[in-house]
Amino acid sequence: QVQLVQSGAEVKKPGASVKVSCKASGYTFTSYDINWVRQATGQGLEWMGWMNPNSGNTGYAQKFQGRVTMTRNTSISTAYMELSSLRSEDTAVYYCARGTPWLQDAFDIWGQGTMVTVSS
Amino acid sequence: DIQLTQSPSFLSASVGDRVTITCRASQGISSYLAWYQQKPGKAPKLLIYAASTLQSGVPSRFSGSGSGTEFTLTISSLQPEDFATYYCQQLNSYPGWTFGQGTKVEIK
Repeated sequence: QVQLVQSGAEVKKPGASVKVSCKASGYTFTSYDINWVRQATGQGLEWMGWMNPNSGNTGYAQKFQGRVTMTRNTSISTAYMELSSLRSEDTAVYYCARGTPWLQDAFDIWGQGTMVTVSS
Repeated sequence: DIQLTQSPSFLSASVGDRVTITCRASQGISSYLAWYQQKPGKAPKLLIYAASTLQSGVPSRFSGSGSGTEFTLTISSLQPEDFATYYCQQLNSYPGWTFGQGTKVEIK
């Protein structure tokens, strides 16, 4: 079935970087955008950025410009999100989500989420 | 950036109630709005896109309306499985999608 499977939980120290993976299956990876959304505990959803897996083009929310990098490996249908210079406020669940063109790019498939904890 | 404001932030209702959630955009977004449902510990689920189009598999008690700056999500008869948090999302300002702050629907 169509799904996105993310890598496991991470614990990082302040100042470090984290790289989360998102493996797609059940559909053509290069035909749909991949977005990244995060959610701090008890808080709302925050869109971080977008990547076109076919071209590799990206677009990032201004808040994360300079700290986030989104990449992909098409041979294994996997997208990556790397966040650098981590601080405690980056502690959150990070989701990848598929954007579907004929749904106005709405996010119809979501990964299960990856908990990233930033703590000294 | 386009801001989305949902109201109310919290809603207490009973099974069978009709529930309406409003989402207001800081500037016009045509019909580029989606609604999601999120239950604790789970990823969000797409309910509605293009402001009023029901995603495949979503029960017909959910409906959406609106365009421009004001949108609503209505649940015609609240069911036990509908107690969750609901988010609107604008998809007009490419590539700067934003979400509303969420509306938590709890059991009265």
